Parts: sequence; structure tokens; C-alpha cells
Amino acid sequence: DIQMTQSPSSLSASVGDRVTITCRASQSISTYLNWFQQKPGKAPQLLMYAASSLQSGVSSRFSGSGSGTDFTLTISSLQPEDFATYYCQQSYSTPLTFGQGTRLEIK
Amino acid sequence: QVRLQESGPGLVKPSQTLSLTCTVSSGSISSGDYYWSWIRQPPGKGLEWIGYIYRNGVSFYNPSLESRLIISIDTSKNQFSLKLSSVTAADTAVYYCARRDGQRLLHDSWGQGTLVTVSS
Repeated sequence: DIQMTQSPSSLSASVGDRVTITCRASQSISTYLNWFQQKPGKAPQLLMYAASSLQSGVSSRFSGSGSGTDFTLTISSLQPEDFATYYCQQSYSTPLTFGQGTRLEIK
Repeated sequence: QVRLQESGPGLVKPSQTLSLTCTVSSGSISSGDYYWSWIRQPPGKGLEWIGYIYRNGVSFYNPSLESRLIISIDTSKNQFSLKLSSVTAADTAVYYCARRDGQRLLHDSWGQGTLVTVSS
């Protein structure tokens, strides 16, 4: 199985801050990497796919980059609705696997 | 926009079989290049992919669950289902059904999730 490791596990930031979350795969996954946002009691919502493609309807303050084993999700200017938990997920091979999550909290 | 809705018992006894159904609306389960997935999340923990099935019945399972798992599809009812046998407390989780785009390899539509508790 491909292991996905996110850092940090939690992060405190303020509205307006620029934030970066990192995801590392245990082997090369090319750009087969998706990012999800999850709010309490809700299903995950797709933000980015293929490492750097923005899902339709998602704010352009979200961006993604990376290939191979190292990936980042950046939020350019945090808004109140961005405080949530973020997961990366590899779609390179089954079993599909997720990172452990990064909880983004208000400072 | 396709919609997915999970249904099934919220409480299952240990050693019994967990059964859930996902009903797809505002779209046909037989149309397009889509896989129909189950994903779960234990309370307070991360996401685990369980498996998915294509419209022709071909399925892919997480090896960690494969020996206890059956995912099936009923195109006439626009539904797909999950059966997980010999459950334990470790199977307590919110279970989500989701649609996976077979071209872009992403899960773009999710059900709201249903909590299943394994307890006597």
C-alpha cells in the first residue's frame, strides 16, 4: 500500500494568512494526488485533483503543486470558512489511501 | 448534479453483517465512466477507502477488508450496496458512498454519510 503522510497534523492561523500543507507519498505517484476539505459532520469535499487542477466551483485562493512523492496545498488568504480538516489522497493505485489529515484552526 | 444517499441500520451486533445501500438520484448509475465507492471514517479519525464497483459489476476491494466484503450493484434500482461480515467494534464508523470519475480519478460526489455502530 502507498502511505500518505501529511504535515503538520494541526495548524493554527489567522484570517488573511497564507497557509501551506504538505503531503508526502511513500513512493512516486506522479501527479495522481487529490485534496479534500472536510468540515465537522459533513462529507469531504473535493478541492484539487491531479495535484494542481482546481475542482469546479472551488475558490481560486486554493492551489496545489507537486509531483512524484512531494505535494503541497496552499491557501493564499485564509477566510473564515476555510477552517476545517484537509486530506490528501493518492489515486495512483489501489488500495486508494488518504493522509491522516491536517486540522486547520483559528488562531 | 448527481446525488447519493446511504441507508441501512445504524446499529449492528458484533459478529453480524453490516449492510448498507447507496441510492443514486439525478443521474444513472449505468451512464458514464464512473466507479461507485464506499469510504468510511471512524469517529474522530481519518478516511479509509473500502472499495468500489463499476456498472458492469467489476469490483475492487481494499485488501485489509476483502475477506469480509461484498460490494454489489443493481442498475435497475440505481443502487449499489455494501456487505461487511463478522464486524467488530473496529468497524464502527461513518460510512460514505461516493462517485469516482474514471477519467479524472477523483471522487466528486459524496453522500452525507451514515454512522454505523457495532455494539451488543
